[in-house]
Amino acid sequence: EADIYQTPRYLVIGTGKKITLECSQTMGHDKMYWYQQDPGMELHLIHYSYGVNSTEKGDLSSESTVSRIRTEHFPLTLESARPSHTSQYLCASNTDRGYEQYFGPGTRLTVT
Amino acid sequence: SQQGEEDPQALSIQEGENATMNCSYKTSINNLQWYRQNSGRGLVHLILIRSNEREKHSGRLRVTLDTSKKSSSLLITASRAADTASYFCATDRAGAQKLVFGQGTRLTINP
Repeated sequence: EADIYQTPRYLVIGTGKKITLECSQTMGHDKMYWYQQDPGMELHLIHYSYGVNSTEKGDLSSESTVSRIRTEHFPLTLESARPSHTSQYLCASNTDRGYEQYFGPGTRLTVT
Repeated sequence: SQQGEEDPQALSIQEGENATMNCSYKTSINNLQWYRQNSGRGLVHLILIRSNEREKHSGRLRVTLDTSKKSSSLLITASRAADTASYFCATDRAGAQKLVFGQGTRLTINP
C-alpha cells in the first residue's frame, strides 16, 4: 500500500459550495499530481507540482486550483462547485527520478 | 486526443485462462507502464517497460513493447478471480515528464 492519503473519500454537496479535497503523502516525493476520472473512463491530468511553490495546469482544463506549500500536502480547491464537477479525483505522487506513480484511493465528488 | 488507446474495452474470461490486453500510442515515449484499478479505488502500478526493451516479465505478467508499431500488450497468465479490475496503460512521452493514460480494459474473471 502506498503512503498517500485522500480525504474525504466521498463527498456530496450542493451547487455553489466551496470545497477542498485533501491529499497528503509521507514518502517525501517531490512530484504530485491530480487526475480527474469519470466512471469507466481514462484519467485526465488536471494539475501537477514538481515541488514546493510549484504548480502547473495539466492537459485537461479545470476550474479547480491547487497549492503546494509543504512537500507532503497538495490540496485541490473548487471555489464554486457545479454538477459538471461530479467525478472521481485521484491524487498521485512520485520521486524526482522515478517513473512509477503512487496513487491515493480517490475522492468521489457528487455535486447536486 | 489521448495518447493511448486500449482494446478490448472489456474482456470476460474463465478463471485459469490467459488474458491479453493491447495498448496503442501516438508519439515517441521514454517508457510505458501498466496500472490496475479495482472498482472505486486508486491505481496500482504493475510493470514498467522502457522504450529500449521488447519484453518484460513480473510473476504472472508479461508485457511486450513494439516501438515500430507504437503498441504494447499485457498478458496475465493463469487468471484468478482477484485479477478482476480495470487495466490501464500509461505512456511517459519523451521530454514531457507526465503520464498519459489510455481508456482502460475492464477485465472480469469468472469463477
